[in-house]
Amino acid sequence: GAGVSQSPRYKVAKRGQDVALRCDPISGHVSLFWYQQALGQGPEFLTYFQNEAQLDKSGLPSDRFFAERPEGSVSTLKIQRTQQEDSAVYLCASSSYGGARTGELFFGEGSRLTVL
Amino acid sequence: AQKITQTQPGMFVQEKEAVTLDCTYDTSDQSYGLFWYKQPSSGEMIFLIYQGSYDEQNATEGRYSLNFQKARKSANLVISASQLGDSAMYFCAMREGRNAGNNRKLIWGLGTSLAVNP
Repeated sequence: GAGVSQSPRYKVAKRGQDVALRCDPISGHVSLFWYQQALGQGPEFLTYFQNEAQLDKSGLPSDRFFAERPEGSVSTLKIQRTQQEDSAVYLCASSSYGGARTGELFFGEGSRLTVL
Repeated sequence: AQKITQTQPGMFVQEKEAVTLDCTYDTSDQSYGLFWYKQPSSGEMIFLIYQGSYDEQNATEGRYSLNFQKARKSANLVISASQLGDSAMYFCAMREGRNAGNNRKLIWGLGTSLAVNP
Protein backbone atom coordinates (compact mmCIF):
# COMPACT_ATOMS: atom_id res chain seq x y z
CA GLY A 1 0.00 0.00 0.00
CA ALA A 2 0.89 3.67 -0.06
CA GLY A 3 0.94 4.19 3.71
CA VAL A 4 3.51 3.59 6.45
CA SER A 5 4.00 -0.10 7.03
CA GLN A 6 5.25 -1.60 10.28
CA SER A 7 6.18 -5.17 11.12
CA PRO A 8 5.64 -7.23 13.07
CA ARG A 9 2.25 -5.98 14.26
CA TYR A 10 2.60 -8.06 17.41
CA LYS A 11 5.69 -9.36 19.13
CA VAL A 12 5.97 -11.36 22.33
CA ALA A 13 9.45 -11.61 23.76
CA LYS A 14 10.89 -13.20 26.84
CA ARG A 15 12.75 -10.88 29.14
CA GLY A 16 16.32 -10.62 27.98
CA GLN A 17 15.65 -11.31 24.32
CA ASP A 18 16.56 -8.91 21.55
CA VAL A 19 13.84 -7.62 19.22
CA ALA A 20 13.85 -5.74 15.94
CA LEU A 21 10.92 -3.67 14.71
CA ARG A 22 10.73 -2.55 11.11
CA CYS A 23 9.23 0.55 9.56
CA ASP A 24 8.70 1.13 5.84
CA PRO A 25 7.77 4.80 5.39
CA ILE A 26 5.85 6.43 2.59
CA SER A 27 8.01 6.51 -0.53
CA GLY A 28 9.93 9.74 -0.82
CA HIS A 29 9.36 10.87 2.76
CA VAL A 30 12.56 12.30 4.11
CA SER A 31 11.63 12.46 7.78
CA LEU A 32 11.02 9.44 9.96
CA PHE A 33 10.09 9.33 13.63
CA TRP A 34 9.79 6.57 16.20
CA TYR A 35 7.43 6.98 19.16
CA GLN A 36 6.69 4.71 22.12
CA GLN A 37 3.14 4.52 23.40
CA ALA A 38 2.55 2.78 26.72
CA LEU A 39 -0.91 1.53 27.57
CA GLY A 40 -3.25 4.40 28.36
CA GLN A 41 -0.68 7.04 27.50
CA GLY A 42 0.09 9.38 24.67
CA PRO A 43 3.05 8.68 22.40
CA GLU A 44 6.52 9.58 23.64
CA PHE A 45 9.21 10.63 21.19
CA LEU A 46 12.12 8.24 20.76
CA THR A 47 14.17 9.31 17.76
CA TYR A 48 14.14 11.20 14.46
CA PHE A 49 15.84 10.62 11.11
CA GLN A 50 16.26 12.94 8.19
CA ASN A 51 17.15 10.60 5.34
CA GLU A 52 19.82 8.31 6.79
CA ALA A 53 20.99 10.80 9.41
CA GLN A 54 19.76 10.32 12.95
CA LEU A 55 19.35 13.94 14.00
CA ASP A 56 17.73 13.44 17.37
CA LYS A 57 17.89 10.39 19.62
CA SER A 58 17.21 12.20 22.85
CA GLY A 59 14.10 10.14 23.59
CA LEU A 60 15.73 6.72 23.54
CA PRO A 61 15.27 5.51 27.14
CA SER A 62 18.52 3.59 27.45
CA ASP A 63 21.48 2.30 25.52
CA ARG A 64 19.53 -0.89 24.95
CA PHE A 65 17.56 0.99 22.30
CA PHE A 66 19.11 1.51 18.91
CA ALA A 67 17.63 2.76 15.64
CA GLU A 68 18.99 2.91 12.14
CA ARG A 69 17.95 3.95 8.66
CA PRO A 70 20.99 3.06 6.57
CA GLU A 71 19.66 3.90 3.11
CA GLY A 72 17.28 6.66 4.07
CA SER A 73 14.12 4.63 3.60
CA VAL A 74 13.36 1.58 5.77
CA SER A 75 14.16 1.97 9.45
CA THR A 76 14.70 -0.59 12.18
CA LEU A 77 14.29 -0.05 15.90
CA LYS A 78 16.25 -2.60 17.89
CA ILE A 79 15.80 -3.28 21.57
CA GLN A 80 18.44 -5.38 23.25
CA ARG A 81 17.94 -7.42 26.43
CA THR A 82 14.26 -6.50 26.62
CA GLN A 83 12.72 -5.65 29.98
CA GLN A 84 9.09 -5.72 31.05
CA GLU A 85 8.96 -1.93 31.06
CA ASP A 86 9.68 -2.02 27.31
CA SER A 87 6.18 -3.40 26.71
CA ALA A 88 4.40 -0.81 24.59
CA VAL A 89 3.24 0.01 21.10
CA TYR A 90 6.04 1.38 18.94
CA LEU A 91 4.76 3.82 16.36
CA CYS A 92 6.62 4.87 13.26
CA ALA A 93 5.71 8.04 11.39
CA SER A 94 7.02 9.74 8.27
CA SER A 95 6.62 13.10 6.66
CA SER A 96 7.86 15.08 3.71
CA TYR A 97 10.57 17.47 4.83
CA GLY A 98 9.60 21.09 4.39
CA GLY A 99 6.59 19.99 2.42
CA ALA A 100 3.12 20.49 3.75
CA ARG A 101 2.79 23.57 5.90
CA THR A 102 1.70 21.55 8.82
CA GLY A 103 4.54 19.06 8.71
CA GLU A 104 1.81 16.46 9.04
CA LEU A 105 2.96 13.06 10.23
CA PHE A 106 1.69 9.87 8.65
CA PHE A 107 1.67 6.96 11.08
CA GLY A 108 1.80 3.23 10.73
CA GLU A 109 -0.42 0.95 12.78
CA GLY A 110 2.35 0.28 15.24
CA SER A 111 4.17 -2.75 16.58
CA ARG A 112 2.82 -3.99 19.90
CA LEU A 113 5.64 -5.45 22.00
CA THR A 114 4.86 -7.57 25.04
CA VAL A 115 7.78 -8.63 27.22
CA LEU A 116 7.08 -11.55 29.54
CA ALA B 1 6.18 19.75 33.40
CA GLN B 2 3.32 18.44 31.33
CA LYS B 3 2.89 20.60 28.29
CA ILE B 4 -0.34 19.20 26.87
CA THR B 5 -3.30 18.62 29.15
CA GLN B 6 -6.42 16.76 28.17
CA THR B 7 -8.68 16.70 31.20
CA GLN B 8 -11.39 14.43 29.84
CA PRO B 9 -10.41 10.75 30.01
CA GLY B 10 -13.71 9.73 28.45
CA MET B 11 -16.59 11.42 26.68
CA PHE B 12 -19.96 10.27 25.40
CA VAL B 13 -21.99 11.91 22.66
CA GLN B 14 -25.20 11.05 20.91
CA GLU B 15 -24.99 10.36 17.21
CA LYS B 16 -25.52 13.49 15.08
CA GLU B 17 -24.76 15.82 17.97
CA ALA B 18 -21.66 17.99 18.36
CA VAL B 19 -18.96 17.36 20.94
CA THR B 20 -16.01 19.39 22.22
CA LEU B 21 -12.79 17.77 23.35
CA ASP B 22 -10.63 19.95 25.56
CA CYS B 23 -6.92 20.62 25.22
CA THR B 24 -4.73 23.13 27.02
CA TYR B 25 -1.04 23.60 26.43
CA ASP B 26 1.96 25.27 27.94
CA THR B 27 4.85 26.76 26.04
CA SER B 28 7.15 29.74 26.23
CA ASP B 29 7.67 29.74 22.46
CA GLN B 30 5.85 32.34 20.40
CA SER B 31 5.81 30.00 17.43
CA TYR B 32 4.22 26.60 17.71
CA GLY B 33 1.75 24.30 16.04
CA LEU B 34 -1.12 22.36 17.52
CA PHE B 35 -2.44 19.10 16.16
CA TRP B 36 -5.32 16.76 16.77
CA TYR B 37 -5.02 13.08 15.91
CA LYS B 38 -7.56 10.27 16.06
CA GLN B 39 -6.52 6.78 17.09
CA PRO B 40 -9.09 4.06 16.41
CA SER B 41 -8.77 0.60 17.86
CA SER B 42 -6.56 -0.43 14.93
CA GLY B 43 -3.82 1.72 16.47
CA GLU B 44 -2.97 4.00 13.57
CA MET B 45 -2.79 7.70 14.35
CA ILE B 46 -4.87 9.68 11.87
CA PHE B 47 -4.23 13.39 11.40
CA LEU B 48 -7.35 15.52 11.79
CA ILE B 49 -6.51 19.19 11.99
CA TYR B 50 -3.70 21.69 12.52
CA GLN B 51 -3.55 25.20 14.00
CA GLY B 52 -0.48 27.42 13.79
CA SER B 53 0.12 29.89 16.58
CA TYR B 54 0.09 32.79 14.13
CA ASP B 55 -3.01 31.68 12.28
CA GLU B 56 -5.64 34.33 12.77
CA GLN B 57 -8.59 32.14 11.98
CA ASN B 58 -9.64 28.94 13.64
CA ALA B 59 -8.79 25.88 11.57
CA THR B 60 -11.57 23.83 10.04
CA GLU B 61 -11.47 20.51 8.20
CA GLY B 62 -14.86 19.16 7.25
CA ARG B 63 -16.71 18.23 10.45
CA TYR B 64 -13.69 19.12 12.57
CA SER B 65 -12.95 22.61 13.83
CA LEU B 66 -10.43 23.86 16.30
CA ASN B 67 -11.49 26.46 18.86
CA PHE B 68 -8.15 28.23 19.34
CA GLN B 69 -7.97 30.65 22.26
CA LYS B 70 -4.37 31.76 22.35
CA ALA B 71 -4.54 33.88 25.50
CA ARG B 72 -6.02 30.98 27.41
CA LYS B 73 -3.65 28.51 25.74
CA SER B 74 -6.45 26.24 24.73
CA ALA B 75 -7.06 24.39 21.48
CA ASN B 76 -10.30 22.50 21.80
CA LEU B 77 -11.49 20.17 19.05
CA VAL B 78 -15.12 20.42 17.99
CA ILE B 79 -16.64 17.53 16.09
CA SER B 80 -19.97 18.37 14.53
CA ALA B 81 -22.66 15.86 13.55
CA SER B 82 -20.99 12.94 15.33
CA GLN B 83 -20.95 9.59 13.58
CA LEU B 84 -20.54 6.10 14.99
CA GLY B 85 -17.18 5.88 13.25
CA ASP B 86 -15.92 8.79 15.33
CA SER B 87 -15.63 6.50 18.35
CA ALA B 88 -11.89 6.44 19.08
CA MET B 89 -9.14 7.97 21.17
CA TYR B 90 -8.35 11.58 20.37
CA PHE B 91 -4.96 13.10 21.06
CA CYS B 92 -3.89 16.72 21.16
CA ALA B 93 -0.24 17.39 20.35
CA MET B 94 2.08 20.36 20.05
CA ARG B 95 5.21 21.11 18.11
CA GLU B 96 7.30 24.04 19.26
CA GLY B 97 9.07 26.16 16.70
CA ARG B 98 7.83 27.97 13.62
CA ASN B 99 9.26 26.06 10.72
CA ALA B 100 7.33 22.93 9.85
CA GLY B 101 10.33 21.86 7.87
CA ASN B 102 12.27 21.49 11.08
CA ASN B 103 10.11 18.48 11.74
CA ARG B 104 10.55 18.82 15.43
CA LYS B 105 9.07 16.19 17.66
CA LEU B 106 5.48 16.31 18.82
CA ILE B 107 4.55 16.47 22.48
CA TRP B 108 1.34 14.61 23.20
CA GLY B 109 -1.46 14.67 25.73
CA LEU B 110 -2.90 11.58 27.39
CA GLY B 111 -5.89 11.48 25.09
CA THR B 112 -9.66 11.44 25.38
CA SER B 113 -11.72 8.37 24.63
CA LEU B 114 -14.84 9.31 22.70
CA ALA B 115 -17.82 7.01 22.44
CA VAL B 116 -20.63 7.86 20.02
CA ASN B 117 -23.96 6.37 21.00
CA PRO B 118 -26.54 5.42 18.35
